[in-house]
Amino acid sequence: AQSVAQPEDQVNVAEGNPLTVKCTYSVSGNPYLFWYVQYPNRGLQFLLKYITGDNLVKGSYGFEAEFNKSQTSFHLKKPSALVSDSALYFCAVRPTSNTGFQKLVFGTGTRLLVSP
Amino acid sequence: GAGVSQSPRYKVAKRGQDVALRCDPISGHVSLFWYQQALGQGPEFLTYFQNEAQLDKSGLPSDRFFAERPEGSVSTLKIQRTQQEDSAVYLCASSSPAGTYNSPLHFGNGTRLTVT
Repeated sequence: AQSVAQPEDQVNVAEGNPLTVKCTYSVSGNPYLFWYVQYPNRGLQFLLKYITGDNLVKGSYGFEAEFNKSQTSFHLKKPSALVSDSALYFCAVRPTSNTGFQKLVFGTGTRLLVSP
Repeated sequence: GAGVSQSPRYKVAKRGQDVALRCDPISGHVSLFWYQQALGQGPEFLTYFQNEAQLDKSGLPSDRFFAERPEGSVSTLKIQRTQQEDSAVYLCASSSPAGTYNSPLHFGNGTRLTVT
């Protein structure tokens, strides 16, 4: 079965510093990986995805993620954090079965807190 | 509309009552998903529609849960005889091309259901 692990419940970083939010996955076959962000009382917003190709994926709001097949990881990164980046971040994987279509399996989320 | 619209935003139901949650997807979007997000957890898949056809309902937790999308646009998630464990945020998401793995999901802001 496909699964996603986000080992940190919360990540704290000072504004201007680089940030990393960790994600590891377990999936049979090639993974399709996604990051979404959720602001309070809002739905999830798409940040970026890895389907194939370059291991470094660039997304919205200056975020990027690095796919590492040997470590089965897809960590989210940003060179310089903003206070407005404070939110809940979810990593997700799409199952590779033909019937899965875009059904996503989400991690439990990591709360990012950026202090001024 | 510009995004996925869900109503009501908040719903309080007494145990045993039936509820109906509405989702209005982005116009023209073929794929529609329902997810359940318990407090402090990531979203969990409930069901998937392609146009009016319900192609996957493997995530519905019991036969008290029922979803429909009769005309391939608006969808309703119905929960009969609500129980306290049904308390969660119910998220609707839509996506444009059918069967395309790359398209991101566009989420609504969710309906927060509280069963007392």
